Amino acid sequence: GQNIDQPTEMTATEGAIVQINCTYQTSGFNGLFWYQQHAGEAPTFLSYNVLDGLEEKGRFSSFLSRSKGYSYLLLKELQMKDSASYLCAVDNFNKFYFGSGTKLNVKP
Amino acid sequence: GAVVSQHPSRVICKSGTSVKIECRSLDFQATTMFWYRQFPKQSLMLMATSNEGSKATYEQGVEKDKFLINHASLTLSTLTVTSAHPEDSSFYICSASLVGTGELFFGEGSRLTVL
Repeated sequence: GQNIDQPTEMTATEGAIVQINCTYQTSGFNGLFWYQQHAGEAPTFLSYNVLDGLEEKGRFSSFLSRSKGYSYLLLKELQMKDSASYLCAVDNFNKFYFGSGTKLNVKP
Repeated sequence: GAVVSQHPSRVICKSGTSVKIECRSLDFQATTMFWYRQFPKQSLMLMATSNEGSKATYEQGVEKDKFLINHASLTLSTLTVTSAHPEDSSFYICSASLVGTGELFFGEGSRLTVL
């Protein structure tokens, strides 16, 4: 099977920094995606990592270590609108498998 | 960016009826589309991979005869929930992969409620 693990829920304060971790064990690996999903809506793309290292995109950064089967999403300068679920997904050669998602609550 | 459109966004049906959900890639051709199911407060579960011109590949535990998938053209895949029951009530989302980037684009999702 494909195992992709994330914490279920996290809480952080507006303006702070939060790191959401994702560990994976899959039969194949062709890249890792992070998506944001607000309740009742489809996921939207945040970032993509295929090589080890950090990818920065504005307030969002994502890190990948393929040898460790590990990724994290870093959100800086948190805003209230960042309250959402964050999904980690592994591209197993054009088949995508999602983690359970991390619900992020941003408090004033 | 690429656009994927899903229809209908909401559907309510009686138990025993069949419901068809369409997924269209509006500005690109998608040889492969994916169908996901999402239960409340849970993540996306891959149901099947839809391949244009060939049979869909279903994930373990997904009933092929229950969830019929047809990918008749490079821009359209359909999911038909046959003989729907209340336990089939869920949020169904399709996505298509943009060739060359691997990036997934999602439809808006379809909320099915079976009475």
